[in-house]
Amino acid sequence: EPEVTQTPSHQVTQMGQEVILRCVPISNHLYFYWYRQILGQKVEFLVSFYNNEISEKSEIFDDQFSVERPDGSNFTLKIRSTKLEDSAMYFCASSENADYNEQFFGPGTRLTVL
Amino acid sequence: KNEVEQSPQNLTAQEGEFITINCSYSVGISALHWLQQHPGGGIVSLFMLSSGKKKHGRLIATINIQEKHSSLHITASHPRDSAVYICAVRYNYGGSQGNLIFGKGTKLSVKP
Repeated sequence: EPEVTQTPSHQVTQMGQEVILRCVPISNHLYFYWYRQILGQKVEFLVSFYNNEISEKSEIFDDQFSVERPDGSNFTLKIRSTKLEDSAMYFCASSENADYNEQFFGPGTRLTVL
Repeated sequence: KNEVEQSPQNLTAQEGEFITINCSYSVGISALHWLQQHPGGGIVSLFMLSSGKKKHGRLIATINIQEKHSSLHITASHPRDSAVYICAVRYNYGGSQGNLIFGKGTKLSVKP
């Protein structure tokens, strides 16, 4: 069964460093999402991506964040200068379509900023 | 601000019990998702609903659009059902491209 994959599973970085979180969505899916979950809190939407551009982004997704689909398979989230409060689990998801379609989630990347 | 409310926050049950988890939301939605999050953190999609009822094995999800309410039922609960169950909705507002708004989750613990 096709699945969304994410790498790495755990990333530890120093405050101020850049990190890139990688996702491989399901191959025939057209919509891609990043969500984050700070420990003990609810999952929050960051950004959606379709047709090689951002469709929608939340207030959390400020200038420190960027997304890219560098090739036909990968979907990346970059945090330019990490802050302590960026420590969270980051989930990638994909769906065939935006409307009325199930989103499939990756296993997540746990980011720890020291 | 559009919110998703879940109840209860925590639920402890004995193996075999029938379990109900509730979700309510504030305005019109195009879809509601029930998700399961395991202790390791991974999220699995259980159901996506826009109306009516869906069943998969021992899990049943219902939605009442008029009352803006959904329930997730687990019949004959088992310790392996122990997880956090999350309700998430996609609200009907212009320009939205499918992003979900999540509830805080219901932590279910099923004792043998």
